[in-house]
This record gives sequence, structure tokens and C-alpha cells, in this order.
Amino acid sequence: GAGVSQTPSNKVTEKGKYVELRCDPISGHTALYWYRQSLGQGPEFLIYFQGTGAADDSGLPNDRFFAVRPEGSVSTLKIQRTERGDSAVYLCASSLTGPGALGANVLTFGAGSRLTVL
Amino acid sequence: QQPVQSPQAVILREGEDAVINCSSSKALYSVHWYRQKHGEAPVFLMILLKGGEQKGHEKISASFNEKKQQSSLYLTASQLSYSGTYFCGTDRAGGSYIPTFGRGTSLIVHP
Repeated sequence: GAGVSQTPSNKVTEKGKYVELRCDPISGHTALYWYRQSLGQGPEFLIYFQGTGAADDSGLPNDRFFAVRPEGSVSTLKIQRTERGDSAVYLCASSLTGPGALGANVLTFGAGSRLTVL
Repeated sequence: QQPVQSPQAVILREGEDAVINCSSSKALYSVHWYRQKHGEAPVFLMILLKGGEQKGHEKISASFNEKKQQSSLYLTASQLSYSGTYFCGTDRAGGSYIPTFGRGTSLIVHP
């Protein structure tokens, strides 16, 4: 697509529930990133995919968070047993070739999925 | 470890200049600058890959001093459209080029 698309744009859930957030990157972009942004903070890195594999998942806060990208395009961020502290805007970004390629790592962000855990 | 940005907020009149600073406690391979307007996605401004390099985007330019582990963003003759929150992003790990972002600097430009 023309840009990075994220769904849903807003999600309200109850504590303890399971949530899935979807990201559809720019067509042809091999690298995909998930960040989360709390109010008044900068985006916090969660995970980076190169193709289908998670090349760096060191930002995932705990084992309740998991992400997949089975066909190297669309990615889903999954959060189990949600907690109030998970409330944030979850941003997805993609880039053409990924980090390590000099000058190529320009991230294009989606508009985000705002998650509210009651 | 996230970079430190200063100042936290800047209020300007149209046509005035501003400087936003970004410093890191570890060696830098790259510095990214993004601007985010309220309720919108961050938008890429520029990436700096070499020490001392300056790049420009409209009337916005930036410098990168590897030795001092710092970058500065210069906004010249600011326009109303420059309002937003500016984030610098520094390498998560040496040479990874995946940005770890600072807390941001809020820039408000008044007519």
C-alpha cells in the first residue's frame, strides 16, 4: 500500500484480556518494527523483523508480548493477559531494506493503534 | 539507553530560530530526527551517518559530532508548520541503525 496501515486505530479492553494489533507495511519493505509510545514519551522499541524472522526482540517487555510476521509482510503484535500499564499507542514502522544498509534505514510509521486497558 | 534531548519545550514566534540538542552516553553510529504532530505518526526528517556531517531539509538542518556523542537540529526562520514534537533516535546497538528515541522536544510556533 501507499503507507503503513495499522488496525484497529483504537482498542479498549479489560484487564486480563488478549489483544491483537495488526500492521500492514509499505509494499516491498522488508524490515518491520514495532514501537510503543506512552503519553509524553518517545517511541519505545519493541521488536524488529527482517523478512519473516524476528531479528531483534530485545525490546519486548515480558513474555506476555509476542509478534509474528509469517509471510514477510503483515505483522501481528499479540498481548496476553493485558495489564493497565500496557495502555499506550502501538506504532508500527517499515523500511526498505532494514538497518545495516547505509542511508537506507528510513522508518515510515503508521498512525498507530491506541490501546486502552481498563 | 535512550538519548537525552534538550530543551524539553520551545515556544517561538514565526521567523525565529531554534536549536534542539540530542546527546548520548554511548558511541553513536547514526542519528535520526523525526517530527510528530499531535495525534499523527512520526515523520522522518533526516538521518546523519558520519561525524560532523550536516544535512538539510527545507530550512531545517542538523549536525552530528561523534566525539561529543551529540547531534543538534537547527530550525531557521521557523514556520507555523514546524510545530510538533521532535525526536532524535540513536543506535540501539553499535551500527544497528535501529533508533532508540529520546523523550522529545515540543516546539510551538506562534504567528
